[in-house]
Amino acid sequence: DAEITQSPRHKITETGRQVTLACHQTWNHNNMFWYRQDLGHGLRLIHYSYGVQDTNKGEVSDGYSVSRSNTEDLPLTLESAASSQTSVYFCASSDTGEQFFGPGTRLTVL
Amino acid sequence: AQTVTQSQPEMSVQEAETVTLSCTYDTSENNYYLFWYKQPPSRQMILVIRQEAYKQQNATENRFSVNFQKAAKSFSLKISDSQLGDTAMYFCAFMNFNAGKSTFGDGTTLTVKP
Repeated sequence: DAEITQSPRHKITETGRQVTLACHQTWNHNNMFWYRQDLGHGLRLIHYSYGVQDTNKGEVSDGYSVSRSNTEDLPLTLESAASSQTSVYFCASSDTGEQFFGPGTRLTVL
Repeated sequence: AQTVTQSQPEMSVQEAETVTLSCTYDTSENNYYLFWYKQPPSRQMILVIRQEAYKQQNATENRFSVNFQKAAKSFSLKISDSQLGDTAMYFCAFMNFNAGKSTFGDGTTLTVKP
């Protein structure tokens, strides 16, 4: 069965370190997205991609970057982690309709 | 830019009863999708129901149905015969037909009480 996976599921890092969160989907979807969800709140879009070599900034992109070298993967990089980036991160993919979400990565920046 | 508003941060319902979650949105587009997603304590986001704006008939999925009022830009979710497993956060989302990204509301936390 097709799926979308994220790794790691939990990560603790220190302020200033570079962190990369992986997202891999086997749906063969062109569209992929990264969101962050803070306690008790909704999803805020960080970056998104509509296909290979395509990336776009979302509403909270500062301090984050993505690259899309193939259809299956959209890794999210925090260039220099900050405590404000402590959050749960969700990856999602879609074709022409609803989004399919990964299980999330809980990131703690100390 | 589109906005999605869920005006009820928290709601509760007794098991077996019916509850309605509200959602309003703002857009100048005519062709779009609307979705309700469920996020249980496991955090996994799950699609509950979808509605295409061009369809006049309200979508239904078993115990879940929507009341889609296009002119009023309203999209409420009705859960009938509530079950303990319905306890979750529910998100309303909007997506343009020609755009892949969605705009999400802030969510409504629903607690089903035994």
